[in-house]
Amino acid sequence: EVQLLESGGGLVQPGGSLRLSCAASGFTFSSYAMTWVRQAPGKGLEWVSAISGSGSHPYYTDSVKGRFTITRDNSRNIVYLQMNSLRAEDSAFYYCAKDASGFPYFFDFWGQGILVTVSS
Amino acid sequence: EIVLTQSPATLSLSPGERATLSCRASQNVNNILAWYQQKPGQAPRLLIYGASTRATGIPARFSGSGSGTEYTLTISSLQSEDFAVYYCQQYSNWPPWTFGQGTKVEIK
Repeated sequence: EVQLLESGGGLVQPGGSLRLSCAASGFTFSSYAMTWVRQAPGKGLEWVSAISGSGSHPYYTDSVKGRFTITRDNSRNIVYLQMNSLRAEDSAFYYCAKDASGFPYFFDFWGQGILVTVSS
Repeated sequence: EIVLTQSPATLSLSPGERATLSCRASQNVNNILAWYQQKPGQAPRLLIYGASTRATGIPARFSGSGSGTEYTLTISSLQSEDFAVYYCQQYSNWPPWTFGQGTKVEIK
């Protein structure tokens, strides 16, 4: 059974940092890309970042480029999202999702999400 | 960036009725499109990929169709558990991977 468990969210002041983690199990982790999607309360889904199965190819939406960094540890089956210089508009539920292949395409399993609130 | 526009924003229907949801892309996505269902307080769930292939465990009442820039998700006979928000997502031209703004299917 595929399981994705996010951690690391919480309340942070504008300009601060957080690191989200997503621990995966139930599949061959290194064979699949992983993606972060966020959703502001009451709003729609927004793709944030993705990383290929090997970890060699990271991708970012324009609004987080230079501020967020996605990495993965294939020995521990964890994907990370390091979020720096956080802004109020980054406040959202952040979902970790497993891609259906080694490169990001569509997302066949999702974690339950974790809330990030950026506020003073 | 490919923009996906879903319509209608809200669909009010009764159980047993047929639901037809639309997703229009700003350019041809070559059937490289997925649909997700999201219920309140839950993560999204993959329903359809490749425009028309049901994901594992998805009931046959859900079907996807379309081509080019126009795609449809049909729920043949709404069950109580189908009232939710539905999103389309393209993976034809990336990054970024983009979602539509969602269609809420509510009980009439």
